[in-house]
Amino acid sequence: GQNIDQPTEMTATEGAIVQINCTYQTSGFNGLFWYQQHAGEAPTFLSYNVLDGLEEKGRFSSFLSRSKGYSYLLLKELQMKDSASYLCAPMDSNYQLIWGAGTKLIIKP
Amino acid sequence: GAVVSQHPSRVICKSGTSVKIECRSLDFQATTMFWYRQFPKKSLMLMATSNEGSKATYEQGVEKDKFLINHASLTLSTLTVTSAHPEDSSFYICSANPGQENSPLHFGNGTRLTVT
Repeated sequence: GQNIDQPTEMTATEGAIVQINCTYQTSGFNGLFWYQQHAGEAPTFLSYNVLDGLEEKGRFSSFLSRSKGYSYLLLKELQMKDSASYLCAPMDSNYQLIWGAGTKLIIKP
Repeated sequence: GAVVSQHPSRVICKSGTSVKIECRSLDFQATTMFWYRQFPKKSLMLMATSNEGSKATYEQGVEKDKFLINHASLTLSTLTVTSAHPEDSSFYICSANPGQENSPLHFGNGTRLTVT
């Protein structure tokens, strides 16, 4: 079957760094997306990885290891507005995104 | 950048009535749009894939006659929740792919449906 495994909730301090891990199992693989979702809002796109390695985009970086079925999202210089859920969504062989419940990130001052 | 507009953002209706939700791609054409439902603190669940000019593809367990999807043009897909019940109360989100198959989906802002 297809599944996503992310921590349910994480807490971090403003200004710090946090890494959100994601392991996945899919039928085929066509890349992995990270989305941010604030409570009551639709998800917004953060990053896309299709090759192994690290993709850096400002304060956010995303890493992928296809052989391990593993990805992480790294958030630096945390701000209060980063409090949200972070969704790891791999794309299967049919180009369908597989969604987990996401990781709720709580930022404390 | 690519923008997807969803309307209405919130709707309250009585049991037994029908509600239509619109999803528009504002600056690109989308042959395919996706409709999701999300319950509080749960993951996005794909309900159906809306295909322009043809029938929608529904996920297992989603009632075709209850959730009517129409994709009449390359920029508009509609989801109609027919004979709504309180258990249909949820957050409904549409998304569209503005380009290649592995380009990111762009989401509408979602519709909060409350059935009383």
